[in-house]
Amino acid sequence: DAGVIQSPRHEVTEMGQEVTLRCKPISGHDYLFWYRQTMMRGLELLIYFNNNVPIDDSGMPEDRFSAKMPNASFSTLKIQPSEPRDSAVYFCASSLWQGGSGEQFFGPGTRLTVL
Amino acid sequence: GEDVEQSLFLSVREGDSSVINCTYTDSSSTYLYWYKQEPGAGLQLLTYIFSNMDMKQDQRLTVLLNKKDKHLSLRIADTQTGDSAIYFCAETSLSSSASKIIFGSGTRLSIRP
Repeated sequence: DAGVIQSPRHEVTEMGQEVTLRCKPISGHDYLFWYRQTMMRGLELLIYFNNNVPIDDSGMPEDRFSAKMPNASFSTLKIQPSEPRDSAVYFCASSLWQGGSGEQFFGPGTRLTVL
Repeated sequence: GEDVEQSLFLSVREGDSSVINCTYTDSSSTYLYWYKQEPGAGLQLLTYIFSNMDMKQDQRLTVLLNKKDKHLSLRIADTQTGDSAIYFCAETSLSSSASKIIFGSGTRLSIRP
């Protein structure tokens, strides 16, 4: 398997623009997580899904952020409108909970810069 | 709620042992993890320990778990320049939503020549 795939790897946009980050989890995994990492706040869990259903979105900072998982192989994180303070590295991770250690496999991340 | 704490920085001399410490609050933790993040990359699982164990060794890595004190440590023997990274302590438990992992803030390990 190719691992968790994220696109784009880098995104530079202007304040007010819509940003869409994409994630393809590892095939067969039933959990998908979106994290944000900044120097100031470290690693923050934004939202996670189980079998395509959002379970906990309490980490989503504002209504400007939304996430979807239309099927088992694809998820998006959207920011509309974007602001400079959204600049961060966004990670997607997936895991298979049943019978395992619960290890989460991380993608390479999307580095977002909002000017 | 659950919390995981670790120091932010550690500097060691090449060839020495590195010991990264972590404390957690959830007494029902089932798995405790150490993840490694190299520059420009995502987190990668380094090792993990089940809560009914007190030690796990894997080549240069030794994990010690003191469940009574809720203290986890990672020892890296013969530290090399390639070990420079951020190390995250993490835990999951049956008391949290299944598969949700609580991460610490990460310890940045730097190696001195």
